[in-house]
Amino acid sequence: GAVVSQHPSWVICKSGTSVKIECRSLDFQATTMFWYRQFPKQSLMLMATSNEGSKATYEQGVEKDKFLINHASLTLSTLTVTSAHPEDSSFYICSASLRRDYEQYFGPGTRLTVT
Amino acid sequence: DAKTTQPTSMDCAEGRAANLPCNHSTISGNEYVYWYRQIHSQGPQYIIHGLKNNETNEMASLIITEDRKSSTLILPHATLRDTAVYYCIVRGGGYSTLTFGKGTMLLVSP
Repeated sequence: GAVVSQHPSWVICKSGTSVKIECRSLDFQATTMFWYRQFPKQSLMLMATSNEGSKATYEQGVEKDKFLINHASLTLSTLTVTSAHPEDSSFYICSASLRRDYEQYFGPGTRLTVT
Repeated sequence: DAKTTQPTSMDCAEGRAANLPCNHSTISGNEYVYWYRQIHSQGPQYIIHGLKNNETNEMASLIITEDRKSSTLILPHATLRDTAVYYCIVRGGGYSTLTFGKGTMLLVSP
C-alpha cells in the first residue's frame, strides 16, 4: 500500500517552455501533497504544500507564479514549471499524505533538464 | 522543529547489523522522530517513526533513549540494497512539515 507515482520520470525541455509534472497516489486518497526539489548532492527542499481543493502554500523563496501547483482531486497533484530556465534543472519529488500530520509517502521523482 | 545531528557517512558489512545514530537534544515533548532513506536517484522511502517507545517493523527497529535526546535506527541484517542516505527527522505534532537535513550515507559492502 501507500504507492505514489510521478510522471514523467525524466524530461528535457528548452529554455522558455513550460513543463507539467504529475503526482498520483495510487492506493489511497491524499488530502495533502507536498512538492520538493533536490539539487545534485544536496538534500530535499520543500517547495510547497497543497491540500485538495485549495490553493497551495509555498515556502519562502519559491515563486508561486513560476511553480504552479494544482491539487484538483484526492489522488492527483500537478506541478507546472513555467518559462523554465537552466537553473530550474533539478530532481522534483512529490509526496502524499492521508492528512498533513500523517507520514508522507514519496514518489520516485522527476528529473528535469532545461537546455 | 528540533534540529538533528547525524554522522556524514557509515560503513557496514553485508549481513551485519547497521546502527545509525541521531542526536536531537532539543526535541520537545510532542515531537516525533522519523526515519526515511533515499536510494540514489529515487524518492525517499519511509522507514519508521516513534515518540518515546521503541518501535519495530519489518524494515527496522527504532531505539529512543529515555531522555529522548537521541535515537538509533537499527537495520538488523544489512544487505547491499540498504546502501542509501538515511535521514533522521524530528517532526512536531499537528501540521508540521518534514525538514530534511544532510543525513547519513550508509554504504553496505560485501
